[in-house]
Amino acid sequence: KAGVTQTPRYLIKTRGQQVTLSCSPISGHRSVSWYQQTPGQGLQFLFEYFSETQRNKGNFPGRFSGRQFSNSRSEMNVSTLELGDSALYLCASSLEIAGELFFGEGSRLTVL
Amino acid sequence: QKEVEQNSGPLSVPEGAIASLNCTYSDRVSQSFFWYRQYSGKSPELIMSIYSNGDKEDGRFTAQLNKASQYVSLLIRDSQPSDSATYLCAVKRLTGGGNKLTFGTGTQLKVEL
Repeated sequence: KAGVTQTPRYLIKTRGQQVTLSCSPISGHRSVSWYQQTPGQGLQFLFEYFSETQRNKGNFPGRFSGRQFSNSRSEMNVSTLELGDSALYLCASSLEIAGELFFGEGSRLTVL
Repeated sequence: QKEVEQNSGPLSVPEGAIASLNCTYSDRVSQSFFWYRQYSGKSPELIMSIYSNGDKEDGRFTAQLNKASQYVSLLIRDSQPSDSATYLCAVKRLTGGGNKLTFGTGTQLKVEL
């Protein structure tokens, strides 16, 4: 069974640009969550999608957005990038009931 | 007070010893608890989940939960150098949180030869 797939794995952007990250969940998983991981703050919850609807949102500015498609694939977008957005962005999928999250390998974003 | 607290470590144990990792949480509504292992440069990998008070064993790993004390721990028996990683504790609310997990900042474990 394939795991959670995230693309791209690495990317470098400059301040002011925007970025879109993609996530394909484990087959059959309908919940997709996004987390930001930085050395100083650890893993911080961004948002969760289920059946194309945002179910939960963390304490991040509106520059961070996401969506989920009918096939459960998800994308997140960060606009007007800031240096502080440099981080590992992790996508995780789960079954609705179990709540066990399985993470992808992450997209490492560097903002210059 | 942080929602989920862990000692950052590093926790050093000799090979073959028992490693004990601890986690406390502040939200009494928390109902599900998870331990993740994260190797340097990699993503978190689920080790165990625990939902009820008491112990849950899986191979060399034992998770312990005490909801009255708001405390969850992970024991690793017969520690191996390959267990050297950062261990993340995560909690999930019963209702209202969807599948949102709140993570601690992790404990770095070093297993020495």
